[in-house]
Amino acid sequence: AQSVTQLDSHVSVSEGTPVLLRCNYSSSYSPSLFWYVQHPNKGLQLLLKYTSAATLVKGINGFEAEFKKSETSFHLTKPSAHMSDAAEYFCVVSDENYGQNFVFGPGTRLSVLP
Amino acid sequence: DTGVSQDPRHKITKRGQNVTFRCDPISEHNRLYWYRQTLGQGPEFLTYFQNEAQLEKSRLLSDRFSAERPKGSFSTLEIQRTEQGDSAMYLCASSLPLGYPNTEAFFGQGTRLTVV
Repeated sequence: AQSVTQLDSHVSVSEGTPVLLRCNYSSSYSPSLFWYVQHPNKGLQLLLKYTSAATLVKGINGFEAEFKKSETSFHLTKPSAHMSDAAEYFCVVSDENYGQNFVFGPGTRLSVLP
Repeated sequence: DTGVSQDPRHKITKRGQNVTFRCDPISEHNRLYWYRQTLGQGPEFLTYFQNEAQLEKSRLLSDRFSAERPKGSFSTLEIQRTEQGDSAMYLCASSLPLGYPNTEAFFGQGTRLTVV
């Protein structure tokens, strides 16, 4: 079965410092992986996705993630946090061999301090 | 196309009443998903359709829940005899099938259900 672990329920960084949000997945085949962001009282927005092309994926708003199959990880990074990055971030796995629904991790809440 | 739309955005109902939510997906998407999200948690998969066929249901979907997509376009999610534990945000998403180059799930704004 597919599953996603997000190791930190809450991450707090200062504005201008790097962001690292960790994600590990479990899937026996070659999954598609996604990061979604959810701002308070807003819908889920796709940040970036990995679909077996390049292992380093660039997304919107300066975010990027690296797929590491040997570590079953897909960590999200950003070189310099902005106040507007404060939100909930979800790592998501999908694999057509498991019926192709999108399985969410529990989320990481990112706080950005001035 | 303006994306996935859900109606209503908010619903307050008394325990024991039935409620129905509607989702209109992006028009060219043949896959439609329902999720439930409670406060502080990630969305939990409930069910999904390919065209009008319901292909998978989570065990979270008790017999009080039913979903339909009669013509392969919009979908409805009905909850019968609502309980306070049903209070949550109900999210709808649509996508192309995996294997398409740009497959991702597009989410609606959700319907927030409060059972009092």
